Amino acid sequence: DGGITQSPKYLFRKEGQNVTLSCEQNLNHDAMYWYRQDPGQGLRLIYYSQIVNDFQKGDIAEGYSVSREKKESFPLTVTSAQKNPTAFYLCASSISGQVLDTQYFGPGTRLTVL
Amino acid sequence: QKEVEQNSGPLSVPEGAIASLNCTYSDRGSQSFFWYRQYSGKSPELIMSIYSNGDKEDGRFTAQLNKASQYVSLLIRDSQPSDSATYLCAVKAWSGGSNYKLTFGKGTLLTVNP
Repeated sequence: DGGITQSPKYLFRKEGQNVTLSCEQNLNHDAMYWYRQDPGQGLRLIYYSQIVNDFQKGDIAEGYSVSREKKESFPLTVTSAQKNPTAFYLCASSISGQVLDTQYFGPGTRLTVL
Repeated sequence: QKEVEQNSGPLSVPEGAIASLNCTYSDRGSQSFFWYRQYSGKSPELIMSIYSNGDKEDGRFTAQLNKASQYVSLLIRDSQPSDSATYLCAVKAWSGGSNYKLTFGKGTLLTVNP
């Protein structure tokens, strides 16, 4: 059963903590992406990776970090430096990062800071 | 700053009517255009993609693209209550090197009344 999985579905963080959001795909896609969505807002790109062991910052990378050690996995760490981390986090993947590719989304992780 | 603009709505239509959703974009070099549907609390799911001027039909959905006027629209015929969701317009353009970036609008909330 192919697709993109994200875990956990809900995550609660205390002030000053780092948390890591998981994203796994078995679609054999080269490119993976992390977006953040705030209520009433469009999706904003945090980081993306077009190939293993390489990734680039998106529009709002400050306070976040990623790794891409395996093709299937692209975890996102929300660090304590991210001042307003409460949001809906969406992972996506595409065959490659090229212009005609479609991005498909995982189910998302909702992060709340306590 | 590349922008994608959508009327936030809500757009309310009666069941069985045609719903028309519009989107304009600022980057004249944009090359790929996507419509996603997002139910409340869920992740976006792809409805249509369109790459060339004109109309593209898929079942009850028709995407229309006019690159000269920099707008893309989505028509939903025979609207059903299950179509009630937020519709996200996304536009992909070259962002440097071998990279292409997908920029999202904030979405239009559609409500179909039984």
